[in-house]
Amino acid sequence: KAGVTQTPRYLIKTRGQQVTLSCSPISGHRSVSWYQQTPGQGLQFLFEYFSETQRNKGNFPGRFSGRQFSNSRSEMNVSTLELGDSALYLCASSLEGTGSSGNTIYFGEGSWLTVV
Amino acid sequence: QKEVEQNSGPLSVPEGAIASLNCTYSDRGSQSFFWYRQYSGKSPELIMSIYSNGDKEDGRFTAQLNKASQYVSLLIRDSQPSDSATYLCAVNRDNYGQNFVFGPGTRLSVLP
Repeated sequence: KAGVTQTPRYLIKTRGQQVTLSCSPISGHRSVSWYQQTPGQGLQFLFEYFSETQRNKGNFPGRFSGRQFSNSRSEMNVSTLELGDSALYLCASSLEGTGSSGNTIYFGEGSWLTVV
Repeated sequence: QKEVEQNSGPLSVPEGAIASLNCTYSDRGSQSFFWYRQYSGKSPELIMSIYSNGDKEDGRFTAQLNKASQYVSLLIRDSQPSDSATYLCAVNRDNYGQNFVFGPGTRLSVLP
C-alpha cells in the first residue's frame, strides 16, 4: 500500500512569491492535515481537511491556505512568502480522523521549502 | 505552560538498556496520544498510539498513559543504536477530527 506522497520534495522560492504544495493521502484515507516544522517552533498544525471541507485550523495567518479535492488529494498554498516560512511542510493522512483507530495520522516525506 | 512538554535531552543510554521518555500535557480533555520517531532529515513515523489508562506494549516499545496525572511515557527495551532519533509526543485535541499538538521532542542517543 503506497504511503502519503508529497510533491515537490525540495523547492526554493523568493520572498513575496507564492508556493503550492501537493499531497496524495494513503488510499482510502479521507482526512488530510498539514504541518509546518521548523527548528525553532517544532511541529505545528496548520489545518485539516475532510470531505473537501476544512474541519480544523491552527494558528497561522491567512497567507496559508489549503483545499481538498473529491479524491482526497490536498494542496496547500502560501502566498507572499516570508523568510520565516522556510520550513519542512508535512502532510499527514488518516482514515477518517475520528475514533480510536481512525485518527492515527501517517506522515509523508515532506516538502522542504527555502525562501530566499 | 506549553500544551505538550517533553525533556529535550539529549538522553543517552548504553546499548541494551531501557530508555524512558516522558511527556506531560495540559488539556485534560484530550483522548488520543501518540509517539512518533523522527530521524534527522526525515519525516515522523508512528511508533504507538494509546487511548486508555495503563500500559500498551508493542515489541520492544511500551507506552504508558495516566490521564489523572496528564502523563504519557514511552519505554524502549533493549535499546539499539538504530533507535537513536528524536521522539515526539503528540496529543490530538479534537476527538472528532485532527488537531494534533506535538511536544518539542526528546533526542535519544543509544551508545554502542
